[in-house]
Amino acid sequence: EAGVTQFPSHSVIEKGQTVTLRCDPISGHDNLYWYRRVMGKEIKFLLHFVKESKQDESGMPNNRFLAERTGGTYSTLKVQPAELEDSGVYFCASSRALGAYGQFFGPGTRLTVL
Amino acid sequence: AQRVTQPEKLLSVFKGAPVELKCNYSYSGSPELFWYVQYSRQRLQLLLRHISRESIKGFTADLNKGETSFHLKKPFAQEEDSAMYYCAPLLLKFSGGYNKLIFGAGTRLAVHP
Repeated sequence: EAGVTQFPSHSVIEKGQTVTLRCDPISGHDNLYWYRRVMGKEIKFLLHFVKESKQDESGMPNNRFLAERTGGTYSTLKVQPAELEDSGVYFCASSRALGAYGQFFGPGTRLTVL
Repeated sequence: AQRVTQPEKLLSVFKGAPVELKCNYSYSGSPELFWYVQYSRQRLQLLLRHISRESIKGFTADLNKGETSFHLKKPFAQEEDSAMYYCAPLLLKFSGGYNKLIFGAGTRLAVHP
């Protein structure tokens, strides 16, 4: 089966601009997650969708970040306006079920805000 | 607060030597625990799930609830094991709760010929 895909692989924008990241989960996976790693820090959870509903958005840093999953398939993560501290790698993951089955990660999108 | 500690940033060994990558966690309850691996230029991959009690690529990990540890071990390291390894407990609450991984800082394993 195809893995989780993310687009773009890299994005370089200037402070104040808007960027939209896309994630396509593994087919049939109702659970979709966003994580990110900013420079020198651990990978941190951002939010979790179950189908099209936000199950847990406790990790979203502020209201400049907006995640959507219309139709319960792919998801987008928009950053508007981007700030320098948003630079990092944004990972998407998906899982068929909750719990100990594990989450399967995409390759990540490297975001650089200048 | 839930926390994961991987005390070694870098672990450097020679091929054939035993390897132990340490992981300690603080978590109230019985966690589900995972090890993820990221090889050079590849995505994060699930390596081990503690619930499966499996051995993958020669690696094993034992959950020690008393010491709150989940160390990753391999008796004989290979050069292809060189990668970044992350310990990741899962915070899980069914019924409208949460299901999120808490990552450690990672340990880079370098296996030399």
